[in-house]
Amino acid sequence: QVTLKESGPVLVKPTETLTLTCTVSGFSLSARVGVTWIRQPPGKALEWLAHIFSNDEKSYTTSLKSRLAISQDTSKSQVVLTMTNMDPVDTATYYCARILEDGDCFDYWGQGTLVTVSS
Amino acid sequence: DIQMTQSPSSLSASVGDRVTITCRASQSIRNYLNWYQQKPGKAPKLLIYLASSLQSGIPSRFSGSGSATYFTLTISSLQPEDFATYYCQQSYSTPFTFGPGTKVGIK
Repeated sequence: QVTLKESGPVLVKPTETLTLTCTVSGFSLSARVGVTWIRQPPGKALEWLAHIFSNDEKSYTTSLKSRLAISQDTSKSQVVLTMTNMDPVDTATYYCARILEDGDCFDYWGQGTLVTVSS
Repeated sequence: DIQMTQSPSSLSASVGDRVTITCRASQSIRNYLNWYQQKPGKAPKLLIYLASSLQSGIPSRFSGSGSATYFTLTISSLQPEDFATYYCQQSYSTPFTFGPGTKVGIK
C-alpha cells in the first residue's frame, strides 16, 4: 500500500526557513518513481514546487528556485523540502506526491500539511 | 514556463448531465496532460494521465482527449460525488504547471 505523509511546523515566522519532510511507504524512489512537492494557498490553485528521483535528478519551479532545496534520505524513506526566507504569501497547504516518470503524473498524494507564516 | 488555462472557471450542472471542461496550453505539450479532481479539504486525485489514459480505479464516465495545445475532460453522466474542482497539469517540461481549476457545482 502506497502512502505519503507530510510533517513539519504548522507555524513559521517571516524570514525563517521552512523544513518539510515527506515519509513514504509502499514504494522506493527509483529512476522512474520520485517524489514531488506541490502547494495550495487557501482558496487558490495548485502550484508545483519541486521533484526528485533516486538518481538525484531534481527540478524546481522557476519563481522559487533560489529559495528551494529538495533532498532525499533513502535509508529513512524520506524526502525533505526546505524553503528559505518565508513570507506570509507562502501560507499554504503543502502536499507531497509520488511522481511517475512515465507521463510525470502524480498518482498518490499525502494528506497535506497547512503551514501558516505569521509573526 | 508553459502557461495553462481552463474554461469555464466554474459551472453548475445537474446529476446526469454531460460536462466538458477545456484546458489549453501556451505551447504544444504533445499529450503530456494530466487531470486531477479535488474535493474541499482533500488532496487532489489523479483521474486521467497522458491526456486520455484513465487512472486505475477511476470510473469510466471520466474521459480525456486532446493533444498539442487543446484538451478536454468529459464526465459523461455527472454523479453526486463528482461535484468538485478539476485541475489540468502539463508534464511536458519542467517547471510543471497547473491550470487555475474549474469548479463543478450543483445546479
